[in-house]
Amino acid sequence: AQKVTQAQTEISVVEKEDVTLDCVYETRDTTYYLFWYKQPPSGELVFLIRRNSFDEQNEISGRYSWNFQKSTSSFNFTITASQVVDSAVYFCALSRGSSNTGKLIFGQGTTLQVKP
Amino acid sequence: DVKVTQSSRYLVKRTGEKVFLECVQDMDHENMFWYRQDPGLGLRLIYFSYDVKMKEKGDIPEGYSVSREKKERFSLILESASTNQTSMYLCASRVIQGIATNEKLFFGSGTQLSVL
Repeated sequence: AQKVTQAQTEISVVEKEDVTLDCVYETRDTTYYLFWYKQPPSGELVFLIRRNSFDEQNEISGRYSWNFQKSTSSFNFTITASQVVDSAVYFCALSRGSSNTGKLIFGQGTTLQVKP
Repeated sequence: DVKVTQSSRYLVKRTGEKVFLECVQDMDHENMFWYRQDPGLGLRLIYFSYDVKMKEKGDIPEGYSVSREKKERFSLILESASTNQTSMYLCASRVIQGIATNEKLFFGSGTQLSVL
């Protein structure tokens, strides 16, 4: 079965702290894609990153970085020097199947609160 | 930028009512999706549509139906609303350029439906 687990329900940090959001996935597919989305209080999920199963290179985008490790089936997300604007719900997602449907399985979400 | 618009931000309905949730996207995307978001459960796929008049059940289709008569519009229908359908409903769309599994979704801001 395919599954995405975000074990951290809520995280609270003080501004400028670093924070890591965990994501563990299960799949039997050899080809798959992993995603992170951010949902600010406005409600609209915003795409952050996409990673395919053949590319284990870590990625950095400004204060955001992602660590993909197939050996542990994890795709963790780190925010460096967090800011109040980072407060949101963050979802990790897995595309399922090798067919062309591309339906996503989402994790439960992690609510991040960054306090000033 | 792609815009996905959901007709209502908040909606209150009575048990047994027929409810229509509307979603419109302005970028000629082939695929459209309806998810519901519940605390602790993340996003779960209700229905999705490959293209006009083409639909497929997601993980939790019971109690719902959909309609896609025009490419830009995807409607979610609750035939007889029940209290367990109180939830946040999110619409999303996606363009297909090659492999569907790696395409990102564009989301609307959501409709918070309360069924009393």
